[in-house]
Amino acid sequence: EDQVTQSPEALRLQEGESSSLNCSYTVSGLRGLFWYRQDPGKGPEFLFTLYSAGEEKEKERLKATLTKKESFLHITAPKPEDSATYLCAVQDSNYQLIWGAGTKLIIKP
Amino acid sequence: DTAVSQTPKYLVTQMGNDKSIKCEQNLGHDTMYWYKQDSKKFLKIMFSYNNKELIINETVPNRFSPKSPDKAHLNLHINSLELGDSAVYFCASSQDRGYNEAFFGQGTRLTVV
Repeated sequence: EDQVTQSPEALRLQEGESSSLNCSYTVSGLRGLFWYRQDPGKGPEFLFTLYSAGEEKEKERLKATLTKKESFLHITAPKPEDSATYLCAVQDSNYQLIWGAGTKLIIKP
Repeated sequence: DTAVSQTPKYLVTQMGNDKSIKCEQNLGHDTMYWYKQDSKKFLKIMFSYNNKELIINETVPNRFSPKSPDKAHLNLHINSLELGDSAVYFCASSQDRGYNEAFFGQGTRLTVV
């Protein structure tokens, strides 16, 4: 059965303290892995798509990487405005999208 | 202009009532979705609609039905509301079903009392 697990559930960092969020998955035929950001009271906002192992994408302080079993979202020198819930989703060969439960990231000034 | 807009933002209603949530996208996308986000923030897809092809998540009760008058609109009708239907419902769209960089609406917080 396709499954997506994100860890940790919550992460508190000081401003400037770099860290990584994990998304591990089991899926039948990966079509793509997606990272989204969700702020309270809003819909998820697209960040990245990764299609194959070894692929990396960057956007400002965020960098996403992909292996055959997991993806990492690296956050370098985060700022308070990076505080949000980060969601990971995978799309299988049947076009089904399976979401993780998210990691709530809190950056303290 | 808002890319994906849904109304209302908040909906409080009594058990047993029938209600609708409207969604419109101005991105020219071919695929639209309805998601349910429960209290634990888990997003679960309810329906996807692509070129008049409806794909239903088999776990969704048949009290829920999507209606698409045209490619830019996908409304959600819910009959005989139950307490367990309370959640945030998100509409989303993407260019096609294989290109899942979806754009989400702001959500509708449904509370059934």
